[in-house]
Amino acid sequence: GQNIDQPTEMTATEGAIVQINCTYQTSGFNGLFWYQQHAGEAPTFLSYNVLDGLEEKGRFSSFLSRSKGYSYLLLKELQMKDSASYLCAVRDSNYQLIWGAGTKLIIKP
Amino acid sequence: IAGITQAPTSQILAAGRRMTLRCTQDMRHNAMYWYRQDLGLGLRLIHYSNTAGTTGKGEVPDGYSVSRANTDDFPLTLASAVPSQTSVYFCASSRDREPNEQFFGPGTRLTVL
Repeated sequence: GQNIDQPTEMTATEGAIVQINCTYQTSGFNGLFWYQQHAGEAPTFLSYNVLDGLEEKGRFSSFLSRSKGYSYLLLKELQMKDSASYLCAVRDSNYQLIWGAGTKLIIKP
Repeated sequence: IAGITQAPTSQILAAGRRMTLRCTQDMRHNAMYWYRQDLGLGLRLIHYSNTAGTTGKGEVPDGYSVSRANTDDFPLTLASAVPSQTSVYFCASSRDREPNEQFFGPGTRLTVL
């Protein structure tokens, strides 16, 4: 079966760095996405990785290792507005997105 | 303002009733999707459409139907609602099937009693 695993919840301090991990087992791989979802709102796109390595975009970076079925999202200089759920999704061989349940990130002052 | 709209925002529905959730986008995206989101579970694809005039089944299509008569609209119909269809429903679109990011509508919170 297809499976995306990410921690249910994480807590971090304002100004710090946090890494959210995602491991996947899917039928085929055509890219990995990270989305941010604030409570009661729609998911919004953060990053896309299809090749191994690190993609940096401002305070957010995303890493992919296809051989290990592993990705992480790195958030630097955390701000209170970063409190949200972070969703990992993999595009499978049918080009459909398989979604993880999301990681709820709590930022404390 | 370009984007995706969904209606209604929320709805309480009696079991056995028919219900259509509306979704409209003005970005001229070819691909559109319907997901449901339940607590503790990831988004699950119900139906999708890669282009106007075509539709396909996702992971959890039973009890739902869709149509794609034009590029902009992608309604989701529950023919006879059941309590297990209580969920938050998101419509999304992308320029094409691959590899583009998906843009999401604000969601419809549906409760079936």
